[in-house]
Amino acid sequence: NAGVTQTPKFQVLKTGQSMTLQCAQDMNHEYMSWYRQDPGMGLRLIHYSVGAGITDQGEVPNGYNVSRSTTEDFPLRLLSAAPSQTSVYFCASSYSSNREGNTEAFFGQGTRLTVV
Amino acid sequence: GENVEQHPSTLSVQEGDSAVIKCTYSDSASNYFPWYKQELGKGPQLIIDIRSNVGEKKDQRIAVTLNKTAKHFSLHITETQPEDSAVYFCAASGGGSTLGRLYFGRGTQLTVWP
Repeated sequence: NAGVTQTPKFQVLKTGQSMTLQCAQDMNHEYMSWYRQDPGMGLRLIHYSVGAGITDQGEVPNGYNVSRSTTEDFPLRLLSAAPSQTSVYFCASSYSSNREGNTEAFFGQGTRLTVV
Repeated sequence: GENVEQHPSTLSVQEGDSAVIKCTYSDSASNYFPWYKQELGKGPQLIIDIRSNVGEKKDQRIAVTLNKTAKHFSLHITETQPEDSAVYFCAASGGGSTLGRLYFGRGTQLTVWP
């Protein structure tokens, strides 16, 4: 079972460069999210999606774009990398059931990004 | 939006002792409260969750309690073992427009000494 797959695992960028962090899930989950994790700050929501074609901003969306053209994929784009975007990025997916509402979120292994 | 506070930020216990981590939330509409464990270099993994229609839930050495009136919930780990050492996160989520969104606390670094 692949679950949630993130690539790459590690990346070093120069200030001003752009790149895309990839996220794919094979569980047919409707919800997908991107979080960043910084020391002492917990996990902060960047962008999320409730289904193909639908995205919305989270707590810290500036400098990031997302799109959701398929149920499986939810890439995160850094438009012009800045040192403040040095962080560990996690993608997650989940679904809601009619009976219970929210259910378990499954996380990928993370992408450690350094911007120099 | 929802605001989740988590305490303590670090916790050290002797093997065999109990550990308790506490969280508060602000949005009375939140109805789902998961706890995640994150080991070094890995993504968070769900260890237990509780819904607003339940006051307590147990799974072997782990239990979670929820007080909706006071808007707080706690994780209890009994008979701790060195492999329980990790970062633990609480989270809250609601319905409607917040379905699928999780609001996390800042995490607790638990260290269990042998």
